[in-house]
Amino acid sequence: DAGITQSPRYKITETGRQVTLMCHQTWSHSYMFWYRQDLGHGLRLIYYSAAADITDKGEVSDGYVVSRSKTENFPLTLESATRSQTSVYFCASTPQVGLGDTDTQYFGPGTRLTVL
Amino acid sequence: AQSVTQLGSHVSVSEGALVLLRCNYSSSVPPYLFWYVQYPNQGLQLLLKYTSAATLVKGINGFEAEFKKSETSFHLTKPSAHMSDAAEYFCAVIFPSGGGADGLTFGKGTHLIIQP
Repeated sequence: DAGITQSPRYKITETGRQVTLMCHQTWSHSYMFWYRQDLGHGLRLIYYSAAADITDKGEVSDGYVVSRSKTENFPLTLESATRSQTSVYFCASTPQVGLGDTDTQYFGPGTRLTVL
Repeated sequence: AQSVTQLGSHVSVSEGALVLLRCNYSSSVPPYLFWYVQYPNQGLQLLLKYTSAATLVKGINGFEAEFKKSETSFHLTKPSAHMSDAAEYFCAVIFPSGGGADGLTFGKGTHLIIQP
């Protein structure tokens, strides 16, 4: 089915381990985003990408790395997981930005990550 | 500083009563405004958006919101609450000065509770 998917949906890991969260979209949207959702904070932007091989930091990027070798994939890596990175992570995409009518972001179902 | 504020982390209404969820933004330039809904263990779904066309915006599931520039507000309403409306609601903003590529800025969310 077309859309935006995330994997895994649930992940438990230990402090210090490397973890990669996957995001895949089938719309060929140019822009992709990673957010984390924490109680009392809403969603906060971690990284975004305007196109393949173009990425930039968001509000809370420390401890995270992204890559985008293909338009449809936007993996998020926690290089050395910490307990403070326990959160729900959402990936989103949109075809373009800055033009109002096309700014709608479409969200994946989320990945719930627990760091012990 | 540009920001978005949702008043009330929890709102409780009776089934059939008016739903009013408040959102205010802080910006010298009117932004693009969105309301998203999140049902338990799911991703975010767009309810409606304001992109400088009509100030009264109608969305899905009977929700609507009115953009009031003088009050820097974008409150979400529904005339008659239904049990299925129980969810978390997020107001989100794209500030045009940022070009939109830096993603959505979210409020902290309002949990809507529907009393039978």
